[in-house]
Amino acid sequence: EAGVAQSPRYKIIEKRQSVAFWCNPISGHATLYWYQQILGQGPKLLIQFQNNGVVDDSQLPKDRFSAERLKGVDSTLKIQPAKLEDSAVYLCASDRGLNTEAFFGQGTRLTVV
Amino acid sequence: KQEVTQIPAALSVPEGENLVLNCSFTDSAIYNLQWFRQDPGKGLTSLLLIQSSQREQTSGRLNASLDKSSGRSTLYIAASQPGDSATYLCGDSNSGYALNFGKGTSLLVTP
Repeated sequence: EAGVAQSPRYKIIEKRQSVAFWCNPISGHATLYWYQQILGQGPKLLIQFQNNGVVDDSQLPKDRFSAERLKGVDSTLKIQPAKLEDSAVYLCASDRGLNTEAFFGQGTRLTVV
Repeated sequence: KQEVTQIPAALSVPEGENLVLNCSFTDSAIYNLQWFRQDPGKGLTSLLLIQSSQREQTSGRLNASLDKSSGRSTLYIAASQPGDSATYLCGDSNSGYALNFGKGTSLLVTP
């Protein structure tokens, strides 16, 4: 079974630029999550999708972050404009639904200079 | 706001030792708790998922327990090996969906 795929693995951008990350969850997984992990911290939820609907985006900085999950499969997370404090690893995860095991991708390491 | 705390923050042990990692959570109404390992520069690898109705789960040399009444979970690693060196994260879910994570325990197993 293929795992959660993310791209790119690494990205370096200047502040005020925009960037987009892509995630392809495990086939058949209805729920998709985006987490932000700052160095030395645990992952923090940014947004949760159930199929193509948003379940929780309460911690997403909506003035600069946006996410979509078209057709309930792939998802993209965008930051525009980026700030220095957005430097982090962005992790995508998926699971089959309520109370099931979550699986994570390798993450995208973003550095904002 | 639910909080997850992991103690210790870092641990160094010689190869072969049995060890226990601790995870405490504030919301006793959790649906499940999941343990992960994270290698440097990598994503999270799922180790064990414990449902709220379960007391423990085992996989190989790993055993995780859950005590909802005390708000605690422990991950027991038997006969540790240098390959076990990684950061171990626990995450709990009070909705059955998104996990709320602690900061992790950084484990170093020395040969």
